[in-house]
Amino acid sequence: DIQMTQSPSSVSASVGDRVTITCRASQGISRWLAWYQQKPGKAPKLLIYAASSLQSGVPSRFSGSGSGTHFTLTISSLQPEDFATYFCQQSNSFPLLTFGGGTKVEIK
Amino acid sequence: EIQLVATGGGLIQPGGSLRLSCADSGFIVSNNDMTWVRQAPGKGLEWVSFIYSGGTTYYADSVKGRFTISRDNSKNTVYLQMNSLGAEDTAIYYCARVRSGSYGEVDYWGQGTLVTVSS
Repeated sequence: DIQMTQSPSSVSASVGDRVTITCRASQGISRWLAWYQQKPGKAPKLLIYAASSLQSGVPSRFSGSGSGTHFTLTISSLQPEDFATYFCQQSNSFPLLTFGGGTKVEIK
Repeated sequence: EIQLVATGGGLIQPGGSLRLSCADSGFIVSNNDMTWVRQAPGKGLEWVSFIYSGGTTYYADSVKGRFTISRDNSKNTVYLQMNSLGAEDTAIYYCARVRSGSYGEVDYWGQGTLVTVSS
């Protein structure tokens, strides 16, 4: 089974900061990776798919990169509405999906 | 607006059964691959099950043999039959669409239904 490890598990940041979250796969997954944002009490929301493709309607301050086993999600300038938990998900073993443990972005 | 509505959650005793339903306005469920993902209180996301538009099914090892996913395209509904429930199954259960012809991303999510397994 493919394991997904996110780091850090939490990060404290201020509005306007650049934030980078890392996701590592236990084996190569090419570009079969997505990123989601989840706010308390809400369902996850798709941000990025195919490692770097921006989902329609998602602000351009969000970007994804990577391939193989190492991926990053970057928020170029953190906005108040971006404080949330972020998850990565691999689909290389589709339709068996695996999620990372999550990264909580908190207000400093 | 596309909307998935999951229902059927509730409080159930250990060893009991529950059937979740997920319906939409008529476009998503009947024509797409669907999945269930759960989230235990305060925890991360865990993939549970998947059903192709044609009916082939897959399960996580943690629920294999206990859960059954199915669909009724005439009712635009996907189901998750859960048997032999244990405390470890307590979670919010989300139904969602897996976008076809892409990279396996989940692009539409329902609001979730809470399942609590407790005596």
